[in-house]
Amino acid sequence: AQSVAQPEDQVNVAEGNPLTVKCTYSVSGNPYLFWYVQYPNRGLQFLLKYITGDNLVKGSYGFEAEFNKSQTSFHLKKPSALVSDSALYFCAVRVPGGSYIPTFGRGTSLIVHP
Amino acid sequence: EAGVAQSPRYKIIEKRQSVAFWCNPISGHATLYWYQQILGQGPKLLIQFQNNGVVDDSQLPKDRFSAERLKGVDSTLKIQPAKLEDSAVYLCASSLLGTGGNEQFFGPGTRLTVL
Repeated sequence: AQSVAQPEDQVNVAEGNPLTVKCTYSVSGNPYLFWYVQYPNRGLQFLLKYITGDNLVKGSYGFEAEFNKSQTSFHLKKPSALVSDSALYFCAVRVPGGSYIPTFGRGTSLIVHP
Repeated sequence: EAGVAQSPRYKIIEKRQSVAFWCNPISGHATLYWYQQILGQGPKLLIQFQNNGVVDDSQLPKDRFSAERLKGVDSTLKIQPAKLEDSAVYLCASSLLGTGGNEQFFGPGTRLTVL
């Protein structure tokens, strides 16, 4: 069975500092990996995805993530955090083939302090 | 482009009552998903449709939950009868037809409270 782990319930960072939100996964086969963001009282929004190719993927709002197959990780990063980045971040995995059910992590709350 | 629409946004019911949620996906999106998101947890897939056929409903509690997607467009999710543990946000999402590499577009969700 596939699974996703987001080991930190909350990440605190000062505005202007780099941020990292961690995600590790467990699947049989090659994964498709996604990051979504959820602002208060709003639905999830897609940030970026890894399907194949370059391990470093860039997405919306200056976010990027690096696929590391040996460490089964897909950490979300941003070089300089903004207060407006404060939100709930979800990592998700799918495995191509079959019904490719999406599995989400439990989420990490990012708080950026002014 | 219009997003995924859901209604109602909020619903409060007594346990053992019935409730239904409606979802209208983005035009042209063949795949539609219903998720349950309990407070403090990530979304859990309940059912996935491709056009009007069910791709996966392995996590749908079929003794009380049902879903349909008539004509491959709108969808409804029903709970009958509701239990206290069904209190959650129910999210609908849609995506283009593919092999799982397409991102999902989510609606605002329906917050259900069961008393």
